[in-house]
Amino acid sequence: SQELEQSPQSLIVQEGKNLTINCTSSKTLYGLYWYKQKYGEGLIFLMMLQKGGEEKSHEKITAKLDEKKQQSSLHITASQPSHAGIYLCGADKSGTQGGSEKLVFGKGTKLTVNP
Amino acid sequence: NAGVTQTPKFRILKIGQSMTLQCAQDMNHNYMYWYRQDPGMGLKLIYYSVGAGITDKGEVPNGYNVSRSTTEDFPLRLELAAPSQTSVYFCASKPTPSLEQYFGPGTRLTVT
Repeated sequence: SQELEQSPQSLIVQEGKNLTINCTSSKTLYGLYWYKQKYGEGLIFLMMLQKGGEEKSHEKITAKLDEKKQQSSLHITASQPSHAGIYLCGADKSGTQGGSEKLVFGKGTKLTVNP
Repeated sequence: NAGVTQTPKFRILKIGQSMTLQCAQDMNHNYMYWYRQDPGMGLKLIYYSVGAGITDKGEVPNGYNVSRSTTEDFPLRLELAAPSQTSVYFCASKPTPSLEQYFGPGTRLTVT
């Protein structure tokens, strides 16, 4: 089954800096989800990627799924304190097309943005 | 829509006590999930359901039970609480396999 590894585990940046979080899979990614979690709260859905080479943006956050579909990156431009939190990637557990009822998640990347 | 709601938000249990964590969604989603989140360990799937009357085990089902008598509700039961069950529990739902999951705000459980 699918295994996801996120890097780095934690990241501290100065406000205004750009940063990238990676999510690498042991299998081809057919559905890759990015979530953000603030301390003490639930997960907020950010973006979903399905096709190799796909790129989506929302405000200052851009997510990409590489052509070979085994890695996704989440890039934040001009970071702000509001970007702080834990970012998790999730993928269809079966590692096959068509979606799966179960997701497997990475362990998360903790982002701190210092003003 | 309220989305996915969970009660209680916080709970402290003594070893051996039982309790039920409540989860409800008002989006008519067929798929529902229970996860636990331990520090630095991401989310682990406890149980899931693909529709009313159907439940199945996830990665870490031991010590838990679930039921799904309606589309809206998916309670998680802890029968004999143990310190290893201290965690944050999240409920989630989604409409179809190919779409994202919607998460509740979580229940923080401490067993002492």
